[in-house]
Amino acid sequence: KAGVTQTPRYLIKTRGQQVTLSCSPISGHRSVSWYQQTPGQGLQFLFEYFSETQRNKGNFPGRFSGRQFSNSRSEMNVSTLELGDSALYLCASSLILAGDTGELFFGEGSRLTVL
Amino acid sequence: QKEVEQNSGPLSVPEGAIASLNCTYSDRGSQSFFWYRQYSGKSPELIMFIYSNGDKEDGRFTAQLNKASQYVSLLIRDSQPSDSATYLCAVYNQGGKLIFGQGTELSVKP
Repeated sequence: KAGVTQTPRYLIKTRGQQVTLSCSPISGHRSVSWYQQTPGQGLQFLFEYFSETQRNKGNFPGRFSGRQFSNSRSEMNVSTLELGDSALYLCASSLILAGDTGELFFGEGSRLTVL
Repeated sequence: QKEVEQNSGPLSVPEGAIASLNCTYSDRGSQSFFWYRQYSGKSPELIMFIYSNGDKEDGRFTAQLNKASQYVSLLIRDSQPSDSATYLCAVYNQGGKLIFGQGTELSVKP
């Protein structure tokens, strides 16, 4: 059974640009959550999507957005990149809502560097 | 105050000892509590969950929950060098978000 797949794995952008990250969940999983991981802040919740609907959003500015498609694949977008957006972005899928089971299956992440 | 707090460590224990990892949370209405393990350079993986006050054992791991004190802990018995990793406490809060602590780095010395 294939795991959670994130693309691209690594990317370098400059300030002001925008970036789109993609996540393919485990087959049959309907929930996709996104987290930002940095050494200073740890894992911070960005948003959770379930059946194409955003169920929850973390405390990030509006430059961070996402969506989920009918096949459960998800994308997140960051516009007007800032240096502080440099981080590992982790996507995690779960069979149902994350909080109902807590069992998130994480992808390997997309490491974003903003210069 | 962070919603989920953990000592960052590093916590160093000798092989065979008990490692004790602690976590406190601020949302009193939180109902579900989880421990994830993250090896260096890898993604987090779930190792235990606990919903009710008291202890829950799974092999060498025991999770403890005290909702009155808003405190969750993870005990690892007979610690092995392969247990060396960062342990993340996660709490499902009333707002429906799964919030992670910063993690405690555990080092088990042979």
